[in-house]
Amino acid sequence: DTAVSQTPKYLVTQMGNDKSIKCEQNLGHDTMYWYKQDSKKFLKIMFSYNNKELIINETVPNRFSPKSPDKAHLNLHINSLELGDSAVYFCASSQVGEGKWAPLHFGNGTRLTVT
Amino acid sequence: GNSVTQMEGPVTLSEEAFLTINCTYTATGYPSLFWYVQYPGEGLQLLLKATKADDKGSNKGFEATYRKETTSFHLEKGSVQVSDSAVYFCALKVGTGANNLFFGTGTRLTVIP
Repeated sequence: DTAVSQTPKYLVTQMGNDKSIKCEQNLGHDTMYWYKQDSKKFLKIMFSYNNKELIINETVPNRFSPKSPDKAHLNLHINSLELGDSAVYFCASSQVGEGKWAPLHFGNGTRLTVT
Repeated sequence: GNSVTQMEGPVTLSEEAFLTINCTYTATGYPSLFWYVQYPGEGLQLLLKATKADDKGSNKGFEATYRKETTSFHLEKGSVQVSDSAVYFCALKVGTGANNLFFGTGTRLTVIP
């Protein structure tokens, strides 16, 4: 009964390729996120999506594009992969309506390695 | 602006030692404060939270007190165990918007037997 599941767990690919990471949550949350965790463990938000609104972090290259077919899914598509994209990507969800203390629920991460 | 600063790691302690991981913040408005923990190979999990000044969050023997006067939310545990080895993230959230959760850089804790 995994609450937030993302696939694949590991992804190894070559520079220039296009890849996708999928995320699904079964918590009924209204908001989903993608975070990038770099080699120094620094966690940065990339996107958040709340039903009607996609909020994009302007520092994220436009090679990254989130796609949300419904509120339970938020997939991350990456075009023309670069070496610097190697990181662990975390999907998360929350119910924003629960108030400002509503916790995020994270998936287990996808380790992307670009060679 | 909003930001979180937490102590650099890594931190290595012997089992049963006392743990403190410092966290200070700057925020516009009145933030809620959180500690998240990331065990090896897993995603982050909420460890504890405090929603207003002087609140104390606690869970699994960990505690943190929301200190508005010092803008701090230090994480403490009286006696750490090997199973506490993980990366700990301090975070703040302002308001109810979807994109206003700010994380610190994380502190890796290793507890040795």
